[in-house]
Amino acid sequence: QQQVKQSPQSLIVQKGGISIINCAYENTAFDYFPWYQQFPGKGPALLIAIRPDVSEKKEGRFTISFNKSAKQFSLHIMDSQPGDSATYFCAASGQGDKLIFGTGTRLQVFP
Amino acid sequence: DSGVTQTPKHLITATGQRVTLRCSPRSGDLSVYWYQQSLDQGLQFLIQYYNGEERAKGNILERFSAQQFPDLHSELNLSSLELGDSALYFCASSLGDEQFFGPGTRLTVL
Repeated sequence: QQQVKQSPQSLIVQKGGISIINCAYENTAFDYFPWYQQFPGKGPALLIAIRPDVSEKKEGRFTISFNKSAKQFSLHIMDSQPGDSATYFCAASGQGDKLIFGTGTRLQVFP
Repeated sequence: DSGVTQTPKHLITATGQRVTLRCSPRSGDLSVYWYQQSLDQGLQFLIQYYNGEERAKGNILERFSAQQFPDLHSELNLSSLELGDSALYFCASSLGDEQFFGPGTRLTVL
């Protein structure tokens, strides 16, 4: 029940395309859903986060879509750029608790 | 730069040894979390401290311990090291829900 399932494991996108990464959770006590971006040799960097009271949040080219009834959320990267090539992790937590991470998606954006 | 600092950046040691990893949280953050990142286990929560007190424990081995000091910096102690302890160790700090990660310590056990 504590798991967060993330797919796909890897993603190859053409420059300018849309990258979509999906996550699903079971624990209905989760109330905070962040996405992290990690470059090789670096720590995860908070990208964008959402709470279950909204269905979508957009920050620049990054959008989180949230489906509370399906217990799913996804990250959309519009106009993907080679600089977006990194590993993306979804996560979930409840009331300031520890983060439960998905298994990560390695995104490669080719020019 | 997240504002969270970790030292050392790299650590190479032998099996059976003991090491200490250090983390300084962002100014004003009261919570410190430790996570382990390995290829086969992903990012796993180890332990959380809030204002000097242990708040939550994950799958942290008994050989591992941590503490948070009055100035809010934290140390993670790993003892009787095994080859399988080789991993990246991250600390994160937060005031609310948002957790900000440090650059990590890469531990290699030979």
